[in-house]
Amino acid sequence: DQQVKQNSPSLSVQEGRISILNCDYTNSMFDYFLWYKKYPAEGPTFLISISSIKDKNEDGRFTVFLNKSAKHLSLHIVPSQPGDSAVYFCAANWGSARQLTFGSGTQLTVLP
Amino acid sequence: DTGVSQNPRHKITKRGQNVTFRCDPISEHNRLYWYRQTLGQGPEFLTYFQNEAQLEKSRLLSDRFSAERPKGSFSTLEIQRTEQGDSAMYLCASSLNSEAFFGQGTRLTVV
Repeated sequence: DQQVKQNSPSLSVQEGRISILNCDYTNSMFDYFLWYKKYPAEGPTFLISISSIKDKNEDGRFTVFLNKSAKHLSLHIVPSQPGDSAVYFCAANWGSARQLTFGSGTQLTVLP
Repeated sequence: DTGVSQNPRHKITKRGQNVTFRCDPISEHNRLYWYRQTLGQGPEFLTYFQNEAQLEKSRLLSDRFSAERPKGSFSTLEIQRTEQGDSAMYLCASSLNSEAFFGQGTRLTVV
């Protein structure tokens, strides 16, 4: 079963506007959530994270929101830039090993 | 460059051959992970080391797969008797806590 779900395979946004990427999870044991950005033929690059004890974390143009009761998190990118075009993965972990469980990704395209 | 380094970047092999990949983690990171990613999917966890001890293995890791991390530094992932279904991107990551940093991956193609 998919414990982390990204239901939108793709998203297109105009340059300068807000990009909102969504992620849902089912495992209530997850206590840390991360977003990664991936270009083709490269490994994922860490973007931003949030602990389950918080509901918001901001880093420059990137903000992650966590709604624990809904088991939902989102990544906001403002303003969006063409260089943000990539696949974005939501991931979560818990326990001593902290291995990541990933969603299937959302392809973001920022149009100039 | 002090990031996670993986070699080789690409490997093409014939079905039935053995292959070995290497990962050099960020030097102060005690945790090391291997993941596999296929087209259209997110990375899937394979195995985890804390220092030199292999502490977790996914059920995805068949008997043909073996990983080592001697002396708690670099790690190797070996696939014996490769099959076409092993074709994927193999990713290594390292961490100190909850945030893992990935290498650029090794793209394996089994023909």
